Formats: sequence, C-alpha cells, structure tokens
Amino acid sequence: AQKITQTQPGMFVQEKEAVTLDCTYDTSDPSYGLFWYKQPSSGEMIFLIYQGSYDQQNATEGRYSLNFQKARKSANLVISASQLGDSAMYFCAMRGPGNTPLVFGKGTRLSVIA
Amino acid sequence: EAQVTQNPRYLITVTGKKLTVTCSQNMNHEYMSWYRQDPGLGLRQIYYSMNVEVTDKGDVPEGYKVSRKEKRNFPLILESPSPNQTSLYFCASSLAGDYEQYFGPGTRLTVT
Repeated sequence: AQKITQTQPGMFVQEKEAVTLDCTYDTSDPSYGLFWYKQPSSGEMIFLIYQGSYDQQNATEGRYSLNFQKARKSANLVISASQLGDSAMYFCAMRGPGNTPLVFGKGTRLSVIA
Repeated sequence: EAQVTQNPRYLITVTGKKLTVTCSQNMNHEYMSWYRQDPGLGLRQIYYSMNVEVTDKGDVPEGYKVSRKEKRNFPLILESPSPNQTSLYFCASSLAGDYEQYFGPGTRLTVT
C-alpha cells in the first residue's frame, strides 16, 4: 500500500526566506507520481508541482521546487522567497501506476511572518 | 474559464435524508474523483471514475454512491446520510489517472 508522511504539522518562516516542507513516501511500485497542493484558508485546493518517479531532474515551477531523493523516498517542497500569501496548508500526495487512488499526507500548515 | 464546479457549496441536513452533491467540469477530462477532508486525516478518496459508465471505489466508499452518465458530470449521492459523513467534500478531475487533478471549490456538509 502507498503511504505519504508529512512530519511537520506546522511551520513558521520569515517573509522573503526559503522554507522546506518535508514529505516522505512509501511504495513498492517503480512507477509513481508525486504532487504538492496548497490549500489557503479559503479552502480551495491548488495544484503546485508534480514529479514523476522516472524524471531525471527535480521539478520546478516558479518559486516552487521539489527536492526529489528517490533512494530516500523523499519529495520535499522548497518555497523560495516566501510571501505572506504563501500562508496555507500544504499537502503532499502520491499516485501509483494506472488508476490507483491519489493518496494524501495529513498536511503541513505554513505561516509566513512579516 | 476551465473549472470544476460543485453545488451546493454548503449544506446542512438531517440524518437519513437523501442528498446529491453535483460536480461538473468543462475541461473534457476523462478522470474524475471525490474526496472527503477531515481534520487531522487529510484528504481521502471516496470514489473515482476513469470514463463514462466506469466507476470504482476509493479508500472510503461506504455510505456513498456515484454515477457517471456524462463525461462532464460526476454526482455524489448519499442515500441515507449519517453524522459521521459531516465533512468537507471535494470533486476533482484530470486528463487521466496519473495527471495532476484540478479541484472544485469544495462542499461543506453537516449532517445533524
């Protein structure tokens, strides 16, 4: 079975600093995808970034990058130059091959301080 | 505008009164799914659909039904709601199962 673990229930970061949100995963499938979503206080789920298990390079999307360490089964999200609008819940998720369900971690609440 | 819509956004109902939460997407996505979000548990998948007339159970399907008669719509049906189904529900869609999913705005359901 697939499992996602986010060990940081809450994080604080100073505005303009970088922050890393941890995510480890467990799967026996060689093919899988890893996702990060942001959920602001308004409640919607916003897709941020995707990493495939066979991708050679770490994914980047603007200020977001994914630090993918396959041997350690970790897929940490790095947010550079934090902004007040980055304050939100962040969820790591994983999907196996085919149409296996998307499995979410329990989330990390990030608070950006001015 | 490409989007996933859900209705209603908020619903308060009583135990046993059948209800339907609608979900519609305008992106011609094949894959659609329903999740519930509960504090401390993250999001858990209820049901998903790979295409019209093809549906399958997710991790927590008990007490729910779905149908996929048209590609754009994927309603969630609670035949006899119970208080433990009080939750925040999200519908999502994607091109295929292994693509990123686009979420609707959520439906907050309270069953008393």
